[in-house]
Amino acid sequence: DGGITQSPKYLFRKEGQNVTLSCEQNLNHDAMYWYRQDPGQGLRLIYYSQIVNDFQKGDIAEGYSVSREKKESFPLTVTSAQKNPTAFYLCASSSQRAGGGEQYFGPGTRLTVT
Amino acid sequence: GQQLNQSPQSMFIQEGEDVSMNCTSSSIFNTWLWYKQDPGEGPVLLIALYKAGELTSNGRLTAQFGITRKDSFLNISASIPSDVGIYFCAGQLDSGYSTLTFGKGTMLLVSP
Repeated sequence: DGGITQSPKYLFRKEGQNVTLSCEQNLNHDAMYWYRQDPGQGLRLIYYSQIVNDFQKGDIAEGYSVSREKKESFPLTVTSAQKNPTAFYLCASSSQRAGGGEQYFGPGTRLTVT
Repeated sequence: GQQLNQSPQSMFIQEGEDVSMNCTSSSIFNTWLWYKQDPGEGPVLLIALYKAGELTSNGRLTAQFGITRKDSFLNISASIPSDVGIYFCAGQLDSGYSTLTFGKGTMLLVSP
């Protein structure tokens, strides 16, 4: 089945540690996105990538880093510089052939930092 | 950045009732999307709208792209308990890979 996978579903880390969240898609989509969701809030864009080896900052990129070495993969690293890292993180992808605007989401990773 | 105002913030209704929610923006969008998110899961795309005035249905769901291109509406008819969740609108300024702007969501609770 085609889709987007995120792992793990739940992640716990101590303050001061970097942590990397995985996102993989087998939809052959060119573009991939990372969002952060806090309770009662909409989705806020962290980073996005329209093509391999290229990515752009979103609205809240500070304290995060990404890489796009393969079309299928777009890992997100939450660094110790991120002041409030505890949140629900969502990865999405889209295809220009589908109109570009339609983004499809993975199941999310809930990160808790104590 | 762009902002979308989504209302209402929450709704508590009886099973069988119809539901309406909407999103408005100060900016013109070329695409409107509606998503549903179940607790602890990723949002699922319900309906995509690409033309002003467009009215599109998906089962009991109907969404409209406002004529001014600054708003969109989602209606759910004859609600059932599995309609419970958070509904998000999202707008896209340009076609292609330009980013989406999301509303803060409408939480829907349905009483059996």
